[in-house]
Amino acid sequence: GNSVTQMEGPVTLSEEAFLTINCTYTATGYPSLFWYVQYPGEGLQLLLKATKADDKGSNKGFEATYRKETTSFHLEKGSVQVSDSAVYFCALSLEKLTFGTGTRLTIIP
Amino acid sequence: DAGITQSPRHKVTETGTPVTLRCHQTENHRYMYWYRQDPGHGLRLIHYSYGVKDTDKGEVSDGYSVSRSKTEDFLLTLESATSSQTSVYFCAISETTGEQYFGPGTRLTVT
Repeated sequence: GNSVTQMEGPVTLSEEAFLTINCTYTATGYPSLFWYVQYPGEGLQLLLKATKADDKGSNKGFEATYRKETTSFHLEKGSVQVSDSAVYFCALSLEKLTFGTGTRLTIIP
Repeated sequence: DAGITQSPRHKVTETGTPVTLRCHQTENHRYMYWYRQDPGHGLRLIHYSYGVKDTDKGEVSDGYSVSRSKTEDFLLTLESATSSQTSVYFCAISETTGEQYFGPGTRLTVT
């Protein structure tokens, strides 16, 4: 079946640090890939997406590249801010969305 | 933000009572979904709908039923609530089978 494995959290970084949250997937076809972000007390928001191999999704300084050869979609940001503190979910879509378990990120000033 | 509302936002109920959660959209999207979110499990699909009166089961559908009599409304019913159904429930919508847009969630506590 389809599955998503993402980096265990929680992750704590200092402001302006470089962020990487790893995500790998297993799929029976060619999925679209997504990163969602969930701020405290809110629903999930779509952060970025990529629909085919080598596509790069980007938004709000975050980036992720669809790597078919390594079945990965790692999330990166060059300089994190306190406001980036949230839970991040990697997901794939093949008819339905399949989510990873989420990575809690805390940024300290 | 996508026009999705959920009601109620919080509910406390007793074991054995029926509970209905409502999801309402103003986007006229075809697909609607119900998920539950629990620590260590991410989001798990309960049921989904691909049109009015067209619904199907997700991976954790036992103990839940759904109905969709109008494009804009998708109801989730717990016929007889149990403590294992204490969770945060999210509704989502999509126009295609790609990205989905989520509501603010309903926190349900079954005592």
